[in-house]
Amino acid sequence: SSELTQDPAVSVALGQTVRITCQGDSLRSYYASWYQQKPGQAPVLVIYGKNNRPSGIPDRFSGSSSGNTASLTITGAQAEDEADYYCNSRDSSGNHLGVFGGGTKLTVL
Amino acid sequence: QVQLQESGPGLVKPSGTLSLTCAVSGGSISSSNWWSWVRQPPGKGLEWIGEIYHSGSTNYNPSLKSRVTISVDKSKNQFSLKLSSVTAADTAVYYCARDQGYCSGGSCWDWFDPWGQGTLVTVSS
Repeated sequence: SSELTQDPAVSVALGQTVRITCQGDSLRSYYASWYQQKPGQAPVLVIYGKNNRPSGIPDRFSGSSSGNTASLTITGAQAEDEADYYCNSRDSSGNHLGVFGGGTKLTVL
Repeated sequence: QVQLQESGPGLVKPSGTLSLTCAVSGGSISSSNWWSWVRQPPGKGLEWIGEIYHSGSTNYNPSLKSRVTISVDKSKNQFSLKLSSVTAADTAVYYCARDQGYCSGGSCWDWFDPWGQGTLVTVSS
């Protein structure tokens, strides 16, 4: 079982704002990173650290964290944002072990 | 920029050993990063397998630790994954990725970037 918990599915109307959350004890000391994965493709990093976007990622993607919950927000969702989203962090054991959330399927209506 | 490419057999027999290599180009595997393996069974989510530092230090997913070995070959600028005693449950797309980390103000974070394109390994007789 995953130590990071995500909602399995979320939907958003085109152009609206959506928040995808990730919960886990390790998030109290480790920031999450977020990955977008489209069918048949490798995951792509979209957010890391406090709220950092790699080059080429639109500024409608943003990240935040509070307590044991990390959030990925898409402001003005586009059709091309429909994908699976995964959070990642280290586990809560302190042994530098990686862990992914179960993933959230985002549907843009 | 750094690019990663997985290679290895696409079919492995049950009880056999899965062996994959990740070639690193555009940068040195001896840089201050961890190098990771992640897998994804068909239709399922991502699973972290483990990681290696260029010094040879490793960390493994506890659920796979007894069967996994990750090694590094600095002369070839690549790292490798071996998974023994495979079953059909090990059928997955296997990805390699660079894992960068940073700590500041009492908080840490790391991130996987870039990723290889992934390679499908099927366990079947």
